[in-house]
Amino acid sequence: DAMVIQNPRYQVTQFGKPVTLSCSQTLNHNVMYWYQQKSSQAPKLLFHYYDKDFNNEADTPDNFQSRRPNTSFCFLDIRSPGLGDAAMYLCATSSPGSGGHDQETQYFGPGTRLLVL
Amino acid sequence: RKEVEQDPGPFNVPEGATVAFNCTYSNSASQSFFWYRQDCRKEPKLLMSVYSSGNEDGRFTAQLNRASQYISLLIRDSKLSDSATYLCVVLPANDYKLSFGAGTTVTVRA
Repeated sequence: DAMVIQNPRYQVTQFGKPVTLSCSQTLNHNVMYWYQQKSSQAPKLLFHYYDKDFNNEADTPDNFQSRRPNTSFCFLDIRSPGLGDAAMYLCATSSPGSGGHDQETQYFGPGTRLLVL
Repeated sequence: RKEVEQDPGPFNVPEGATVAFNCTYSNSASQSFFWYRQDCRKEPKLLMSVYSSGNEDGRFTAQLNRASQYISLLIRDSKLSDSATYLCVVLPANDYKLSFGAGTTVTVRA
């Protein structure tokens, strides 16, 4: 089945130790998003790639970076995790402008829950 | 003011009951509206899109009121499996990035 996959599902890191979260998709969607979601809050968009074009949200800290080496994969790098970065990180994809009936729908991966010690 | 606001609940209802809740949005030019469902510690999943005329999908009914800028979700004959957080999601005009509400939690008890 076509899907969005995130690894690992759970990640424990130490304060200040760089960590990378990965996302892959088999949907062949041109847009990939990274969200941060904390308990009882809305998912907060960090940035997204439209094809190869990187789009950062204005309030995303510099501590968060992303890479998209090809259509299928996207990575979230947290350079120096702080205690406040503990959250669920969700990857999503969509295909705006594709003309399909679900072009506005975002498909989410299962998320990576990050714990910072 | 947040772009999308929801009553966080929780709405605690017995099995078989009807539960309904609203969501308001601030951008009058918003073009598309959705309800996503999110189970505890899981990812959001699309429940249904919301059309101008209102629409049903089984026990779920969604309504849109553009004049008052709110959408609603009604769940009839609640099941235990309906327990989840329901996220109100809005797509602004000329955009593809979604705006999420913080969610309304529904708990259906036996």
